[in-house]
Amino acid sequence: NAGVTQTPKFRVLKTGQSMTLLCAQDMNHEYMYWYRQDPGMGLRLIHYSVGEGTTAKGEVPDGYNVSRLKKQNFLLGLESAAPSQTSVYFCASTAFDQKRVFGRENTEAFFGQGTRLTVV
Amino acid sequence: GESVGLHLPTLSVQEGDNSIINCAYSNSASDYFIWYKQESGKGPQFIIDIRSNMDKRQGQRVTVLLNKTVKHLSLQIAATQPGDSAVYFCAENSKEYGNKLVFGAGTILRVKS
Repeated sequence: NAGVTQTPKFRVLKTGQSMTLLCAQDMNHEYMYWYRQDPGMGLRLIHYSVGEGTTAKGEVPDGYNVSRLKKQNFLLGLESAAPSQTSVYFCASTAFDQKRVFGRENTEAFFGQGTRLTVV
Repeated sequence: GESVGLHLPTLSVQEGDNSIINCAYSNSASDYFIWYKQESGKGPQFIIDIRSNMDKRQGQRVTVLLNKTVKHLSLQIAATQPGDSAVYFCAENSKEYGNKLVFGAGTILRVKS
């Protein structure tokens, strides 16, 4: 019962370095999301995907790219890391429209445990 | 607990009292709402959800109220316990806008023993 798994859990980058955060879900969910959470603040949507091969911009997409080549994986890339990208990153997945039944099992968004990224 | 800016508002309650956490959502087309609880160092956890064709839904010790007229959502926690201390977020989703799940600012709940 893995649910949503994020790797890595922690990372320190130097300014200008690149890296990719991986999110994997084993629930066959169509929808996947990447959020960032800064200290004392809520979650802000970076990018999201409504299915394999699709991506869309969220509230704060600048400086990030994403790819959804496989349904179970949603990758978040930082091409040239900046100190402003120091944050905790959360991935989530959900089924939403896959079933018409209203209930927690079908509509709840499941979250990973987060990736703490520091850019120095 | 209304959002007052970039920093999360805090609601302090006595153990055993009822808590009410409020959330103002932004999109009148949102048709699905979820309350999440986030404990320190962890990802958000589902508490309860409600669709826009309802105005109230009850769970175990929790009730969510939806007022679409003023775009307001509230979470009521009965007999608040120390384990309820966490940050609470509301999230809104709109199928019309591509199921872009957007979170509100959050409220810190502190339970005093």
